[in-house]
Amino acid sequence: AQTVTQSQPEMSVQEAETVTLSCTYDTSESDYYLFWYKQPPSRQMILVIRQEAYKQQNATENRFSVNFQKAAKSFSLKISDSQLGDAAMYFCAYRSAGTSGTYKYIFGTGTRLKVLA
Amino acid sequence: NAGVTQTPKFQVLKTGQSMTLQCAQDMNHEYMSWYRQDPGMGLRLIHYSVGAGITDQGEVPNGYNVSRSTTEDFPLRLLSAAPSQTSVYFCASSPRIVYEQYFGPGTRLTVT
Repeated sequence: AQTVTQSQPEMSVQEAETVTLSCTYDTSESDYYLFWYKQPPSRQMILVIRQEAYKQQNATENRFSVNFQKAAKSFSLKISDSQLGDAAMYFCAYRSAGTSGTYKYIFGTGTRLKVLA
Repeated sequence: NAGVTQTPKFQVLKTGQSMTLQCAQDMNHEYMSWYRQDPGMGLRLIHYSVGAGITDQGEVPNGYNVSRSTTEDFPLRLLSAAPSQTSVYFCASSPRIVYEQYFGPGTRLTVT
């Protein structure tokens, strides 16, 4: 069975600095998708970025980028120029590409990011 | 589009009571799912559906029932509430081709 591990329960970053959140996963599948979701205090889950496993190029979305290491099964999120609005819980998630017939998402336990002014 | 809507936002139940958490989406998404979020445990999948009339169990299905009679609606039923079901519940949907999920605002349920 697939698992997703976020080993950092909490991280802090100074405003305008860069922070990296870690995520590792375990799977025997070769085709899958990885996601980072943000959950601010409002509780709303918001997609930050996604990565297709078949793509070698790391995904980027403005100040957010990932370091996807398929062989190491690592999927870290880098936030550049951190802003106060980035303060939230961040979840890493895995989804099979469907070749095994499953639709299930697997979420990590989350990393709470604090942004210091 | 309203996106994914959930009602109610908050609910308090007594042990043994039953209730239905409502979830609806207006994006014509095929996939819908229910999660519960507990401190330190992330989101855990309860039940999911890949289309009207088709449902399947997730990681923690015990104590919950679902049905999917229309594409738009995916209600979650608690037949006999227990304190262990105190949690925040999220409904999510996604289209077949695009794999990210769109989440509702959540329902905070307390069972006393």
